[in-house]
Amino acid sequence: KNQVEQSPQSLIILEGKNCTLQCNYTVSPFSNLRWYKQDTGRGPVSLTIMTFSENTKSNGRYTATLDADTKQSSLHITASQLSDSASYICVVGGGYNKLIFGAGTRLAVHP
Amino acid sequence: DAGVTQSPTHLIKTRGQQVTLRCSPKSGHDTVSWYQQALGQGPQFIFQYYEEEERQRGNFPDRFSGHQFPNYSSELNVNALLLGDSALYLCASSLGQLNNSPLHFGNGTRLTVT
Repeated sequence: KNQVEQSPQSLIILEGKNCTLQCNYTVSPFSNLRWYKQDTGRGPVSLTIMTFSENTKSNGRYTATLDADTKQSSLHITASQLSDSASYICVVGGGYNKLIFGAGTRLAVHP
Repeated sequence: DAGVTQSPTHLIKTRGQQVTLRCSPKSGHDTVSWYQQALGQGPQFIFQYYEEEERQRGNFPDRFSGHQFPNYSSELNVNALLLGDSALYLCASSLGQLNNSPLHFGNGTRLTVT
C-alpha cells in the first residue's frame, strides 16, 4: 500500500534554533517528493520538489534531502523564525500521476 | 499574475443539503485537482480535471462530483451532505497532468455541515 508517514507529529522549538522533520514513504513506482508549508487556514505552498536523481535541494533556510534507497526524506529548517510556525506536508508522486500526502508535522516556533 | 482563487471562503450547510464550491486556476494552468482536508490531517485527493473531463478519482463516493469549464475553472459539487463532510476543501492547479508539475493551491473553502 502506498503510504507517506511523517514524524514527529508535532514539534515545539525556540526561535533561532534549527530543526529536522522526517518523511518515510512506501510509494512505488516513485516519481518525485515534495515538501509543502501550510499556514493555519491557508492552502499549502510548495517549498521543494525533488526527483529520483536529486538528493538535496534548498529554498532559503529550508533544505530537503532525499535517500531513494531507504525511501526517506528530511526537511531541515535553519535559524527558525516565528513565521516558520506552520504544518509541513511531505507529498510523494507515484505512478499514474498519483500524489500521496502525508499527515504533516505541526511546527510551533516560540520566542 | 493571479494565483488560484476559491469561493466562497466559508460556508455553513445543513445535513442533506447540496453545496457547490468554485475554483479559478492560476493563469496558464489547465489542470485542476480537488482535495478534502480534515482538521489535523493531510489533504485527501478527490479528483482531477483536465480538458473538461474527470481524469482521476480518489476514494470518494458519487455524492462528490465536479465539472471543468472551457476557461479551465472548476466546480466541486457535494450532494446529500453528511456531518463528516465538514472540512477544508482545497483546489490545486497545474500545467498538464504529469505529476512532476508543480501544484499551486488556493486557500480553500471551509465547509461546516450542521
